[in-house]
Amino acid sequence: DVKVTQSSRYLVKRTGEKVFLECVQDMDHENMFWYRQDPGLGLRLIYFSYDVKMKEKGDIPEGYSVSREKKERFSLILESASTNQTSMYLCASSPPTAVKNIQYFGAGTRLSVL
Amino acid sequence: GDSVTQMEGPVTLSEEAFLTINCTYTATGYPSLFWYVQYPGEGLQLLLKATKADDKGSNKGFEATYRKETTSFHLEKGSVQVSDSAVYFCALSDPNTGNQFYFGTGTSLTVIP
Repeated sequence: DVKVTQSSRYLVKRTGEKVFLECVQDMDHENMFWYRQDPGLGLRLIYFSYDVKMKEKGDIPEGYSVSREKKERFSLILESASTNQTSMYLCASSPPTAVKNIQYFGAGTRLSVL
Repeated sequence: GDSVTQMEGPVTLSEEAFLTINCTYTATGYPSLFWYVQYPGEGLQLLLKATKADDKGSNKGFEATYRKETTSFHLEKGSVQVSDSAVYFCALSDPNTGNQFYFGTGTSLTVIP
């Protein structure tokens, strides 16, 4: 089974802190994604990556950056956390769409910024 | 642009009731359509998918048919169980936008004994 692991289930941070959310997948997938999930808004794409050291902005990249130094790991960085970044963050991975067009999700990290 | 609209919840049903969750989409190309399910405290899991018009996806008693003429992909189950309580997301992936996924806002389902 595909496994996407997010390093923390719950995080509490203070405004202005630098926050790292880590995601690791074990299926050698090329594509990785970061979403945030908010009530009434569903999932919104923050950033995605099609390969090591490659990144593309999603729909809501402001206030976030990402890092993909290794194929299996995709990190989401909040340079200076703000209260409006309190949310559930979901990481996903997928093989090339020509192979199998399905996204596999981690369990999520619920981040609270105080 | 591409988008997915699904019925708002929450939905509360008695065990063994019939379930329908409506989903319609807008896409520039010929998308693949998906239903994902999120159980409490977990991430999203693929429930079923359909890749072309008139395809029917099915899994765990759930079904959805890709209707191009009505741009719909409604989720149905004939007899729900308490264990089906979860949030259900409709999604599309459009090859015209690099197969980026677009998700609906989710519909919360609670099944009571």
